[in-house]
Amino acid sequence: IAGITQAPTSQILAAGRRMTLRCTQDMRHNAMYWYRQDLGLGLRLIHYSNTAGTTGKGEVPDGYSVSRANTDDFPLTLASAVPSQTSVYFCASRADLGNNSPLHFGNGTRLTVT
Amino acid sequence: DQQVKQNSPSLSVQEGRISILNCDYTNSMFDYFLWYKKYPAEGPTFLISISSIKDKNEDGRFTVFLNKSAKHLSLHIVPSQPGDSAVYFCAAGTRTGGTSYGKLTFGQGTILTVHP
Repeated sequence: IAGITQAPTSQILAAGRRMTLRCTQDMRHNAMYWYRQDLGLGLRLIHYSNTAGTTGKGEVPDGYSVSRANTDDFPLTLASAVPSQTSVYFCASRADLGNNSPLHFGNGTRLTVT
Repeated sequence: DQQVKQNSPSLSVQEGRISILNCDYTNSMFDYFLWYKKYPAEGPTFLISISSIKDKNEDGRFTVFLNKSAKHLSLHIVPSQPGDSAVYFCAAGTRTGGTSYGKLTFGQGTILTVHP
């Protein structure tokens, strides 16, 4: 079934550790996004990529990095995790930017930093 | 600075009645708006959208209204069903350029509970 796959589903991570959240889509969408969802704050954009080979910063990029080596994969890395990065992380994609094509979301990764 | 705001954290409605979810925005560059629905342990799913050239868009039981002068949009669900119980996010973006081009800004979400 076409869509977005995120891994892991959940993770408990010690503060200071490095972690990469994986995201793969098979819809050949050009644009991909990482959001975090926190209670009372909704979904906030961390990083985005309009097309393979390019990335950009969203609202809350500090402490996170991304890469977009190909169309399908968009991993999110926490170089040194801190407790404030405890959140649910959603990867999303969309076909293009030129019209109002909606975002398609994965099922999320629940990350707890202790 | 929250550019998209949903001021009601929760809403409770009886089955068969109308649910009205509200959303306000501050960025006048936004020119299209979307509503997403989210069940627990799942990602948000697209529900309905509206362009700024319209003031209403309807899809079955779901209607979105846009009041550009007030920078306000609302989602009406009629009739409400227990399966509609979920978190609803409004989102806004720009299609014509600017710093928000290609990106969506989301509100905080409203938890809708529809009682049988």
